[in-house]
Amino acid sequence: QKEVEQNSGPLSVPEGAIASLNCTYSDRGSQSFFWYRQYSGKSPELIMSIYSNGDQEDGRFTAQLNKASQYVSLLIRDSQPSDSATYLCAVKGNAGNMLTFGGGTRLMVKP
Amino acid sequence: KAGVTQTPRYLIKTRGQQVTLSCSPISGHRSVSWYQQTPGQGLQFLFEYFSETQRNKGNFPGRFSGRQFSNSRSEMNVSTLELGDSALYLCASSESENQPQHFGDGTRLSIL
Repeated sequence: QKEVEQNSGPLSVPEGAIASLNCTYSDRGSQSFFWYRQYSGKSPELIMSIYSNGDQEDGRFTAQLNKASQYVSLLIRDSQPSDSATYLCAVKGNAGNMLTFGGGTRLMVKP
Repeated sequence: KAGVTQTPRYLIKTRGQQVTLSCSPISGHRSVSWYQQTPGQGLQFLFEYFSETQRNKGNFPGRFSGRQFSNSRSEMNVSTLELGDSALYLCASSESENQPQHFGDGTRLSIL
């Protein structure tokens, strides 16, 4: 069974700090990797996409991919209380458009 | 562009009934996927449609079915509802297989 694993948290960081969220996946054939943010009672919102090894930056967010280690991470710089949410790692295989999600990491940014 | 639109937002049904949920994808998006989200199981893939064809199906019983119309709008149907079907049902659309999926607000289904 293809799995995506995340630490459920909560991960607590002070305002202004860097939050580091991690994700591992089991399917070596995985092609695409995504991070979604989900506020309580809301639907997931796409934050970052990454398709090849290395770093992908967008504003305060950096996604990192290491296919050899089957590891994806998300860094949030200058964390704000509004970043407090559950962050979901999603992995797409090499056929179709099915996403496999991790259980999510709850992030709490304290003022 | 308008986002993914799901209707209805909330539904209350009783065991044994059936339900149909609707999803209108972002304009131009041809791939529509459905997911179920529960506190215990998290987000789980139900099925994906592309150009009116089901391309993938998750590990759900046959009571869960779906279809896609020529305008890319999609519906999913759950028959003989069970208490365990209570969940947030999310629809996501993307332009193609390799593009990110964008989620609608979901339909929250409660089974009494």
